[in-house]
Amino acid sequence: GAGVSQSPRYKVAKRGQDVALRCDPISGHVSLFWYQQALGQGPEFLTYFQNEAQLDKSGLPSDRFFAERPEGSVSTLKIQRTQQEDSAVYLCASSLGETANTGELFFGEGSRLTVL
Amino acid sequence: KQEVTQIPAALSVPEGENLVLNCSFTDSAIYNLQWFRQDPGKGLTSLLLIQSSQREQTSGRLNASLDKSSGRSTLYIAASQPGDSATYLCVCDNDYKLSFGAGTTVTVRA
Repeated sequence: GAGVSQSPRYKVAKRGQDVALRCDPISGHVSLFWYQQALGQGPEFLTYFQNEAQLDKSGLPSDRFFAERPEGSVSTLKIQRTQQEDSAVYLCASSLGETANTGELFFGEGSRLTVL
Repeated sequence: KQEVTQIPAALSVPEGENLVLNCSFTDSAIYNLQWFRQDPGKGLTSLLLIQSSQREQTSGRLNASLDKSSGRSTLYIAASQPGDSATYLCVCDNDYKLSFGAGTTVTVRA
């Protein structure tokens, strides 16, 4: 596709439900990032993939969060047993380059998760 | 840990006025600095990217400067228009994690 595509755009979950958020990066982009953006704040790093390898997951808030990119293209962020504090916009970004001097980042429109 | 601060947090100006948005960062060992625009309910759109070896970048009415030694970047928007109303984010690339400022929300009044 022409840009980074994320789905669903909006998700309402009851506390305790599992959710899966999908990111389809720009074709050929090596690097893929997930960020969490709370209301009124800048995005916070969650995890980073270089192709299919998850090189850093230090930003994942708890072991309820899991991300994968099995074929080095589409990525899924899964949140198990959702809690109210998980409510945020989850942004996916991709970049042509590898780590260090990553270069220009392209963001999707985000998935807004609301946990009731 | 890189800390990125943007001042002011919000700005309201009449149409036609020039905008000056400030970004400061604590770790000068950056690879590049990028300015993004974020519209409500939308993702981030890249405006300008300044490599660490550069002092400024220009695109149309936008100009961004970078002074690594003092840990500062400034985004100038000339002759503002109502369509420039958005939140502007400054992002420092020290490594792949990237560090974001909280943004400056700009309102341009017609």
